[in-house]
Amino acid sequence: LAKTTQPISMDSYEGQEVNITCSHNNIATNDYITWYQQFPSQGPRFIIQGYKTKVTNEVASLFIPADRKSSTLSLPRVSLSDTAVYYCLVGDGITGFQKLVFGTGTRLLVSP
Amino acid sequence: EPEVTQTPSHQVTQMGQEVILRCVPISNHLYFYWYRQILGQKVEFLVSFYNNEISEKSEIFDDQFSVERPDGSNFTLKIRSTKLEDSAMYFCASIPPAGRYEQYFGPGTRLTVT
Repeated sequence: LAKTTQPISMDSYEGQEVNITCSHNNIATNDYITWYQQFPSQGPRFIIQGYKTKVTNEVASLFIPADRKSSTLSLPRVSLSDTAVYYCLVGDGITGFQKLVFGTGTRLLVSP
Repeated sequence: EPEVTQTPSHQVTQMGQEVILRCVPISNHLYFYWYRQILGQKVEFLVSFYNNEISEKSEIFDDQFSVERPDGSNFTLKIRSTKLEDSAMYFCASIPPAGRYEQYFGPGTRLTVT
């Protein structure tokens, strides 16, 4: 499983775009990049997954450069309710059956 | 939208006692997992379960732990003789049939061992 590195914490204000970058230098050819969100005292929640280039859903966008050694989760116009811990995970995304290996994540604090 | 449920939300027990944490995965899901998160620490994988048997387990999942799917809906985690260090949030997760990759997590059970 590829090791990931992401900032410990980030601060933002309501309405701003937030970009959280994750480094995964040892990503394997068949690895996908997946992001989860966790609110206090709740279970993690899947946000988005991608392999290369750009993926967008109703919640976020995921940008992956050609070398795939990093990825950026972009949250457009954050609100207070986006305050959470965001985890970047790298692993086999095709089947999804393998265990999830969480790092320490990025604690995002959105202020008014 | 269907969701994973867990009971109880909070369990307090004395050291050495047995506890059973219960989960009801989403009905058509096939793979089930238990994770735990000690306060302020990472979410850690404990065990995965498929087709009525353990697929993988971590070093944490020692002989004190067991899992069971006693009927078509419940998925349980049993800790036979709890230790203080078992105090944590325990999350159950499940994934749909092949073709989907996100794990759906339950709200967790907070286990406090005194």
